[in-house]
Amino acid sequence: DAGVIQSPRHEVTEMGQEVTLRCKPISGHNSLFWYRQTMMRGLELLIYFNNNVPIDDSGMPEDRFSAKMPNASFSTLKIQPSEPRDSAVYFCASSFIGQGANTEAFFGQGTRLTVV
Amino acid sequence: QKEVEQNSGPLSVPEGAIASLNCTYSDRGSQSFFWYRQYSGKSPELIMFIYSNGDKEDGRFTAQLNKASQYVSLLIRDSQPSDSATYLCAGGVSGGYNKLIFGAGTRLAVHP
Repeated sequence: DAGVIQSPRHEVTEMGQEVTLRCKPISGHNSLFWYRQTMMRGLELLIYFNNNVPIDDSGMPEDRFSAKMPNASFSTLKIQPSEPRDSAVYFCASSFIGQGANTEAFFGQGTRLTVV
Repeated sequence: QKEVEQNSGPLSVPEGAIASLNCTYSDRGSQSFFWYRQYSGKSPELIMFIYSNGDKEDGRFTAQLNKASQYVSLLIRDSQPSDSATYLCAGGVSGGYNKLIFGAGTRLAVHP
């Protein structure tokens, strides 16, 4: 398996522009997570999906952020309009959750976003 | 209070020593805990998970969980320079759906 695949790996955009980050989870996984990592705040959970349904989006910082998961193999995180303070590394992770305790999440390589 | 707390470090240990990394959590309902390692510019990768009170050993790594004290630790024996990285503690929040909350991470530096 190729693991969790994110694109693009790097994105530089101007303030006010729309940014779309993409993620393909591991085949067979039923949970998908978007995290944001900065030096100041560490790794923050933005939103997670279970069986393509958003379960908890309480970590989404503002209405400028939105995420979708139209099917089991694809998710997007969109920022519109982008601002310099959105600059961070955005990770997508996936896992399989069945009955019982939580299981490991596998991370993609991340998208480094720079908003100038 | 953050749900998962870690000392940001850096924690500096000499090669061959034991490195002890600590983590506390606030959700008493959390059932599972994970230690991830993250090298600079890379994504986090799982080292160990622990669900039950007590110790769990895997090679040079030992995870310890004390649910009464809401405390998780990771011991790295015979530390190597290649162990230098940021170590992230994550707790599985009660309520299911594998919601993982991460601490800010502890930076470990192993010097020769």
